[in-house]
Amino acid sequence: GQQLNQSPQSMFIQEGEDVSMNCTSSSIFNTWLWYKQDPGEGPVLLIALYKAGELTSNGRLTAQFGITRKDSFLNISASIPSDVGIYFCSNYGGSQGNLIFGKGTKLSVKP
Amino acid sequence: EADIYQTPRYLVIGTGKKITLECSQTMGHDKMYWYQQDPGMELHLIHYSYGVNSTEKGDLSSESTVSRIRTEHFPLTLESARPSHTSQYLCASSVTGGRGYTFGSGTRLTVV
Repeated sequence: GQQLNQSPQSMFIQEGEDVSMNCTSSSIFNTWLWYKQDPGEGPVLLIALYKAGELTSNGRLTAQFGITRKDSFLNISASIPSDVGIYFCSNYGGSQGNLIFGKGTKLSVKP
Repeated sequence: EADIYQTPRYLVIGTGKKITLECSQTMGHDKMYWYQQDPGMELHLIHYSYGVNSTEKGDLSSESTVSRIRTEHFPLTLESARPSHTSQYLCASSVTGGRGYTFGSGTRLTVV
């Protein structure tokens, strides 16, 4: 299988600040998915990207499919306490065509 | 409401016990998966199924076994639990060509 390199590993921010995280790979992909995992829950799909250069928003979240097709970015604007959780990038890069995940970015927001 | 359910949410069990983690989905999805999540947050695929009577091992070797006798049900069994099996287990499902996976809330297993 392939690997997704996600950074940063963790972030500690103040409420109201903007957040940026990214995911890179040495492989080219046709899809990028971003998930969020709340504490004690399973991951939930936030945004799906299907085209190089695509920019998609979901409320305060914006994700972009990199033009090289090897990377993707997720931005959160004006963070609030409920943004706390682990954010994963994901792709169909498993050896059996399954989803693989980056190692996650753990976001902490101080009120 | 269509969803995916995992039981129990938390389980503490002694070494050597046999356990089954339950996973059911009401969405009619043909594909189902089990992921193991380590304390460092990483998600590793341990089993998957593309339909009834189909089961395959995932990227991460696991001593657990799975079965898929009904479309909606994909239980995971550990014949003899050990402390090294302590982890969060997440079940997921999808349709062919679908947009990602739908995850359950997980089972946090502790083997003492």
